[in-house]
Amino acid sequence: EPEVTQTPSHQVTQMGQEVILRCVPISNHLYFYWYRQILGQKVEFLVSFYNNEISEKSEIFDDQFSVERPDGSNFTLKIRSTKLEDSAMYFCASSERQVTEAFFGQGTRLTVV
Amino acid sequence: GENVEQHPSTLSVQEGDSAVIKCTYSDSASNYFPWYKQELGKRPQLIIDIRSNVGEKKDQRIAVTLNKTAKHFSLHITETQPEDSAVYFCAASTGTASKLTFGTGTRLQVTL
Repeated sequence: EPEVTQTPSHQVTQMGQEVILRCVPISNHLYFYWYRQILGQKVEFLVSFYNNEISEKSEIFDDQFSVERPDGSNFTLKIRSTKLEDSAMYFCASSERQVTEAFFGQGTRLTVV
Repeated sequence: GENVEQHPSTLSVQEGDSAVIKCTYSDSASNYFPWYKQELGKRPQLIIDIRSNVGEKKDQRIAVTLNKTAKHFSLHITETQPEDSAVYFCAASTGTASKLTFGTGTRLQVTL
């Protein structure tokens, strides 16, 4: 069964450093998303991406964040200058169409020290 | 924006009993309501979903009901088993952005 894959599974970074989280969505999917989950809390929407542009973003997704689809398979989330409060599990997700099942990757646990 | 509330936050049932988790949403334009199960340290996985043109959907031991007028939807698990123990999240989505707004989660514990 096809699945969304994310790398790395765990990333430790120093405050102020840039990190790039990588995702390979399911190949025939057209909608891509990033969510985050602070330990013990709910899953929060960050950004959605369709047709090579951001379709919606949350208030969390400020100027420190950016997304990119550099080629036909990868979808990346960049955090330019990490803060302690960016520590969370980051999930990439993809869906084939609007209003259909979103498949989640296994997540990248980001720890900012 | 959309706001989804979920209750209870924790639920403990004996094996074989039923479990019910309830959610309410605020945006009447929401039209897609999935339920995700998340085991410790794992990804959220869809267990059932319902669209706004349907009032009820069932898949074996799992069912979801939707009341559009009241803006609430519920997950029903019958004949619970220990492997049902997990955190369950409801979510709501509008068609334009397809983003999911999640509830706060329910930790379900099924005891022997």
